[in-house]
Amino acid sequence: QKEVEQDPGPLSVPEGAIVSLNCTYSNSAFQYFMWYRQYSRKGPELLMYTYSSGNKEDGRFTAQVDKSSKYISLFIRDSQPSDSATYLCAGGYGQNFVFGPGTRLSVLP
Amino acid sequence: DAMVIQNPRYQVTQFGKPVTLSCSQTLNHNVMYWYQQKSSQAPKLLFHYYDKDFNNEADTPDNFQSRRPNTSFCFLDIRSPGLGDAAMYLCATSRADLTQAFFGQGTRLTVV
Repeated sequence: QKEVEQDPGPLSVPEGAIVSLNCTYSNSAFQYFMWYRQYSRKGPELLMYTYSSGNKEDGRFTAQVDKSSKYISLFIRDSQPSDSATYLCAGGYGQNFVFGPGTRLSVLP
Repeated sequence: DAMVIQNPRYQVTQFGKPVTLSCSQTLNHNVMYWYQQKSSQAPKLLFHYYDKDFNNEADTPDNFQSRRPNTSFCFLDIRSPGLGDAAMYLCATSRADLTQAFFGQGTRLTVV
């Protein structure tokens, strides 16, 4: 079993839709979680960092962590074509963090 | 302004010919990481430095080495590149007390 699992997609949504991206993890030692956005042939860009269960909001993005079920989510409101990218979740402790394989998202105009 | 800079963006090397990829950072972060990412896969950690302390992942091949001469710079050396080493190589940095990792734009390595 991989430590962090994600549905690879692709996920296609119309512009303006609410997008829900999800990950599950197996390592109970994970203390923090991150979401990255990666455009084709570019490095990952940090979107959200959360340290505890609950919700964290930043603009159109909301990250949600449920440590009891080992489930993390990223919601994107009012999705735009520029949101089309691969979204990677990661969980970690100390300097060790593990990525999921990423979900490829396409937002269609 | 770019905070984690990788050079070159694209590198073509011959099978078996040593190659070095470089990474520099302006963030003064303690920790620097090297990842390998193949198409449609998660980035895979090769090793990381905590200051000068080198931490190698157990499954990183011996063909991959790294140097960190100072806080700002880190190098990835591939001693004898094989066709299977063609990938995107990503450098990242983080603070020791707050592990939010910031990535460079990557170097795409092609082995011919």
